[in-house]
Amino acid sequence: DSGVTQTPKHLITATGQRVTLRCSPRSGDLSVYWYQQSLDQGLQFLIQYYNGEERAKGNILERFSAQQFPDLHSELNLSSLELGDSALYFCASRPREGNPEAFFGQGTRLTVV
Amino acid sequence: GQQLNQSPQSMFIQEGEDVSMNCTSSSIFNTWLWYKQDPGEGPVLLIALYKAGELTSNGRLTAQFGITRKDSFLNISASIPSDVGIYFCAGLLDSGYALNFGKGTSLLVTP
Repeated sequence: DSGVTQTPKHLITATGQRVTLRCSPRSGDLSVYWYQQSLDQGLQFLIQYYNGEERAKGNILERFSAQQFPDLHSELNLSSLELGDSALYFCASRPREGNPEAFFGQGTRLTVV
Repeated sequence: GQQLNQSPQSMFIQEGEDVSMNCTSSSIFNTWLWYKQDPGEGPVLLIALYKAGELTSNGRLTAQFGITRKDSFLNISASIPSDVGIYFCAGLLDSGYALNFGKGTSLLVTP
C-alpha cells in the first residue's frame, strides 16, 4: 500500500458527460501529480500541484482541469468526455520538491461508452 | 515531455534467467527511477538513482545511473514468476518538476 488513495476505482460513463476523480496523497506529502495511462501511450503527465498551487502542466486537454484543496487532496475533472478519454488515471504524491520519489495510487479506470 | 526510450519492449524468459533492460534519452537527467506495474495496479517504486555512475541494488534487482546521465539500466537476477509485470524507467530533468516515463518493458516469466 503506497498510502495514496484514489476513488473511484472504476468509472463508466457516456460520451459528453463530466466526471471527477479524487486523490488523497500520502500523509504529509505536499505535491500531487496526475498521469494518464492509455494502452499504447505509457504514462503521460497531466498536471502537478504543490501545496494548493498549480506548479506544472503537461499534456492536459482544455476539457480537463484539476485542483488541490487546503487539506491537500486533489480532484481531476474531466468534461465533455470522448471515447478516447478512456484510460487509467493515476495520482502520485511526493513529500517535497527536493525528493523526486513519487508514490502512486491504484488508479481510476475510466471507460467512456 | 522529454522522450525516454525503453528497450526491449517485451521479454519472454524462463524462470531462473537473468534479465537486462535499459532506458535512454537525448536529455540529461539528474535522477532516474525504476518502477514496476502489476496488471490493474499503480506503479510501485523499485529503485532510485541520484548520481552518475551510481549502482544500487534492491534484492535481486540492480540498477545503474549511466555515466553520461542520459541512460539507465535495470538488471533482475534469477527471475521468478512474480517478476511478471511492466517495468518503467522515469527520469527527472534538472529543471523539471514532473517525472518523464518511458513506455515500459513488459516481462513474462514462465515456470
